[in-house]
Amino acid sequence: EVQLVESGGGLVQPGGSLRLSCAASGFTFSTYWMTWVRQAPGKGLEWVANIKQDGNEKNYVDSVKGRFTISRDNAKNSLYLHLNSLIVEDTAVYYCARDADYHHGGGDYDAFDIWGQGTMVTVSS
Amino acid sequence: AIQMTQSPSSLSASVGDRVTITCRASQDIRNDLGWYQQKPGKAPRLLIYAASSLQSGVPSRFSGSGSGTDFTLTISCLQPEDFATYYCLQDNKYPRMFGQGTKVEIK
Repeated sequence: EVQLVESGGGLVQPGGSLRLSCAASGFTFSTYWMTWVRQAPGKGLEWVANIKQDGNEKNYVDSVKGRFTISRDNAKNSLYLHLNSLIVEDTAVYYCARDADYHHGGGDYDAFDIWGQGTMVTVSS
Repeated sequence: AIQMTQSPSSLSASVGDRVTITCRASQDIRNDLGWYQQKPGKAPRLLIYAASSLQSGVPSRFSGSGSGTDFTLTISCLQPEDFATYYCLQDNKYPRMFGQGTKVEIK
């Protein structure tokens, strides 16, 4: 079964750090871009970051640049998100997602076809 | 950053209704757009990619259209399991941006 399972969430004080993990199974992890998406309580979805198959290209939303780091370990089929200098506004459910490539009508397209169940991060004093 | 504006933010509809949700991009994104469904407490689910291509396993009552800046998600005959929140997502440029969501509620 194709599956993503997040872990590592919890309660942390402002200014603190956390490392989220996402364990992949049922597919060849090393051949996919991977993504983190978050959702603050009662709010919409926000794309956070993604990482290329070999880890050599990473992209971030402006609000987390310099504070969050995405990484991966293809030997362990795992994706990570290192959260530093946390602020209250980072409180959210964090989802990892597989960034699939679709070839359609002569073009290439991305979409998040597999999602984990999410892990909750609460930043509060 | 490309801004994605969805409308309406919520709607009430009955089982069997035809429902249309729109998404407008602040600049041309070709057809680099996906639609996602999310139910309370659950992860999102991919419905449509490349603006109009149905993801495997998604019922054919869901359809997408549009290109450039204006896009539409249509549910042709609303079913009880379709009451959820729907999001568009542009994958043309970084940062990827979701629309603010459209909540489809039971009338």
